[in-house]
Order: sequence, then C-alpha cells, then structure tokens
Amino acid sequence: DTGVSQNPRHKITKRGQNVTFRCDPISEHNRLYWYRQTLGQGPEFLTYFQNEAQLEKSRLLSDRFSAERPKGSFSTLEIQRTEQGDSAMYLCASSFQSENTEAFFGQGTRLTVV
Amino acid sequence: DQQVKQNSPSLSVQEGRISILNCDYTNSMFDYFLWYKKYPAEGPTFLISISSIKDKNEDGRFTVFLNKSAKHLSLHIVPSQPGDSAVYFCAASGGWGSQGNLIFGKGTKLSVKP
Repeated sequence: DTGVSQNPRHKITKRGQNVTFRCDPISEHNRLYWYRQTLGQGPEFLTYFQNEAQLEKSRLLSDRFSAERPKGSFSTLEIQRTEQGDSAMYLCASSFQSENTEAFFGQGTRLTVV
Repeated sequence: DQQVKQNSPSLSVQEGRISILNCDYTNSMFDYFLWYKKYPAEGPTFLISISSIKDKNEDGRFTVFLNKSAKHLSLHIVPSQPGDSAVYFCAASGGWGSQGNLIFGKGTKLSVKP
C-alpha cells in the first residue's frame, strides 16, 4: 500500500457542471476525512466517515456537496452545479480508529472552476 | 474565530541554524497536537505529534514543545537543512464531539538558505 491516493490530480470545469473526486485510503484505516484548502489557508474540515457511516459534516459542506463511502473503502466527493468559489485543493486523509492518531493525507485534487 | 493560530506567515533561516515555528490555540479542550509539512502541489505530510499529557516530544532533528498553560506549542528543527523549506501547519484535535478531525492553522512558510 503506497498511501492515500486521490484522482484526478487536477480538474478544470465550467461553472455549473458537476464534478466527482475519488479517494482510496490506506487499506487498514477505517476513518476517512475530506478537507478543502484554499490559497493562504490551512486545510478546512469538510466531512468524516468511520467505515461506511458518514458521522460528521461541516457547515462548509453546502447542499451541493455530497460524499459517499459505500463499502467502507474508497470514497467519492461530488460537487453539483460548481461555482467559482469552489475552486480549491480537495484533500482526503485516512487514519486508524484511535483516540490520538495522525491522519495521512493524499496528494489532493486541484479543482479550478472557470 | 480561529482556534489554531500561526501568527508568522513566513520564516527565513540559515542552513545549520535552528528553526523555531510557533503555534497558539484557544480551545482548552484540545488534547492532541500535530505538525504537518507541505510542499507545493502535494498533500500535507505528517511530521511529529504530541499529546497533552506531555510537554516535549522529539524525533531526530524535530522537537515539539507544548505549554498548556500558555496554550502554545512550538516546533524546533535543528539543524535546519535546505530540504526543510516548505509550509508547516500546526493542527489540533480533541474536545467535545471530536472524532479526530483536525483544526489547522494557516501555516508558516519556512525558507532555509544554503
């Protein structure tokens, strides 16, 4: 296992289009997180899965955003009717289910909405 | 309101000298703190962590110090190397309802000059 994998690495889309990103976590990890990072900011938490259950969603996650982890393995993040403000780096991370443990990040998907 | 603050956007250090990166937090319920390093166009890479029951953790050239009464932590890199040049993020987790999702600071860009 080479770590957390995210696809695609880059995505350019026109405003109003839908986009979907995929994350494959480290196989032994049952926690999976999605974060968003914009220029000059640190990563901001979006949502979190424990196995297939989505347990927490940030208020940053508008109704246009939906995330799934159907079999408790890979996850997808879909953005409907994209807006220019959605342009950001979308980061996926995974970790063990443990009280204090580090999360390992993928390389991210850079979304540009034109 | 930012719960994790990195007040220095950038730091420049000479190779071989010590780099000290600082981080302040406001939420006294945080009980686990991490430092991540990030190169351009890549995801954050875990560097070192510390639990609130400790005041120091060391790993090779990297040492993290935690001062709970001051709600302050710092990362020391000794000796600094040009390859350490990156953006460093401080992150915290814990508190009521925490499921391990991390709260990040805005980052400090470290430049180590040969």
